[in-house]
Amino acid sequence: NAGVTQTPKFRVLKTGQSMTLLCAQDMNHEYMYWYRQDPGMGLRLIHYSVGEGTTAKGEVPDGYNVSRLKKQNFLLGLESAAPSQTSVYFCASSQDQGPQPQHFGDGTRLSIL
Amino acid sequence: GQNIDQPTEMTATEGAIVQINCTYQTSGFNGLFWYQQHAGEAPTFLSYNVLDGLEEKGRFSSFLSRSKGYSYLLLKELQMKDSASYLCAVTDSNYQLIWGAGTKLIIKP
Repeated sequence: NAGVTQTPKFRVLKTGQSMTLLCAQDMNHEYMYWYRQDPGMGLRLIHYSVGEGTTAKGEVPDGYNVSRLKKQNFLLGLESAAPSQTSVYFCASSQDQGPQPQHFGDGTRLSIL
Repeated sequence: GQNIDQPTEMTATEGAIVQINCTYQTSGFNGLFWYQQHAGEAPTFLSYNVLDGLEEKGRFSSFLSRSKGYSYLLLKELQMKDSASYLCAVTDSNYQLIWGAGTKLIIKP
């Protein structure tokens, strides 16, 4: 019953450091997404993937990179962290882009000092 | 531009009924979702509407009017555990989900 699993759950970085957020889903979903959630704002799409080996930019992709080497995993990288990237990051997956809902992980709370 | 509007915060009493409204202006429409998000947790799916009318699921119902760009989520027999944020999201013509900022619902005894 794992669904979507994100690691780590919390992280504090210094400006300029790099890190990778991991997302794994066990539902055999084709589509995967990375969002950020900031106070007073809706979820904003960073990058998404429509299948293994594919990635595409979302609404706010700058400063982030992603990879989907395996169908079940979707990685989000911060190359040089900035304080503006302090946020809660959610990974989600869905079977398609139509009526099927997205299933979310528990989130990663990231602070950049 | 694309826009989804929801009230920022609402307060209701345990056992009562509350209606949370959502209006949208998007490039195309391919369905509307409502999600519930408890503080510090992930959003979880509540309902989906693609045709006009009311969809009922237990204590929760969701209504859609595509001509008015309007939806509401109706919560009946409110319980303390219903205290959460409720997110409205619209699938646009490119099948991207556009999210509202959410409505924080506070339930008082």
